[in-house]
Amino acid sequence: DAGVTQSPTHLIKTRGQQVTLRCSPKSGHDTVSWYQQALGQGPQFIFQYYEEEERQRGNFPDRFSGHQFPNYSSELNVNALLLGDSALYLCASSLLHDNQPQHFGDGTRLSIL
Amino acid sequence: KQEVTQIPAALSVPEGENLVLNCSFTDSAIYNLQWFRQDPGKGLTSLLLIQSSQREQTSGRLNASLDKSSGRSTLYIAASQPGDSATYLCATFPWGNDMRFGAGTRLTVKP
Repeated sequence: DAGVTQSPTHLIKTRGQQVTLRCSPKSGHDTVSWYQQALGQGPQFIFQYYEEEERQRGNFPDRFSGHQFPNYSSELNVNALLLGDSALYLCASSLLHDNQPQHFGDGTRLSIL
Repeated sequence: KQEVTQIPAALSVPEGENLVLNCSFTDSAIYNLQWFRQDPGKGLTSLLLIQSSQREQTSGRLNASLDKSSGRSTLYIAASQPGDSATYLCATFPWGNDMRFGAGTRLTVKP
């Protein structure tokens, strides 16, 4: 049973560019959440998707957007990249109406030059 | 706004020691609290989930407790091993809000 998978594992971009990160949830899960983790910090919640809609959003600018597909996979898009967007981006999946732990992927390491 | 603090930020112990990691949070109205392990450059592995109606959870050498009234949780690791070296993160689920993480405790267990 595959867990949460994220792609790519590493990515290097320059300021002003746009990036798309991808996440496939654990089999049977319907909810996907995205987090940004800066070096030495805990993850910060970006947003959560359920039934192809953004259900909750953290304190991130509109440059951060997402999408969830009918197969529950999800994308995170970041426009007009800034140096401060360099971080590990984590995807977590869960069942919305089941009080069980979220399952995390290994993340995408994004470096902005 | 929920604030989660973890003390100490880093801890180094010899193999075999029992140790306690601390997590404090400002809003006691939480749905549950979760402890994670993170190896360098990797994602998060869930260790223990404590629901709001529970006071503790145990898994092997790990025991986590939750005291909502005082806004504290502790993770107890018995008979530590070098393989326990990692960063340990706690996270709270406030009611109706997103998951909030502490900055983590970086643990090193020396052989």
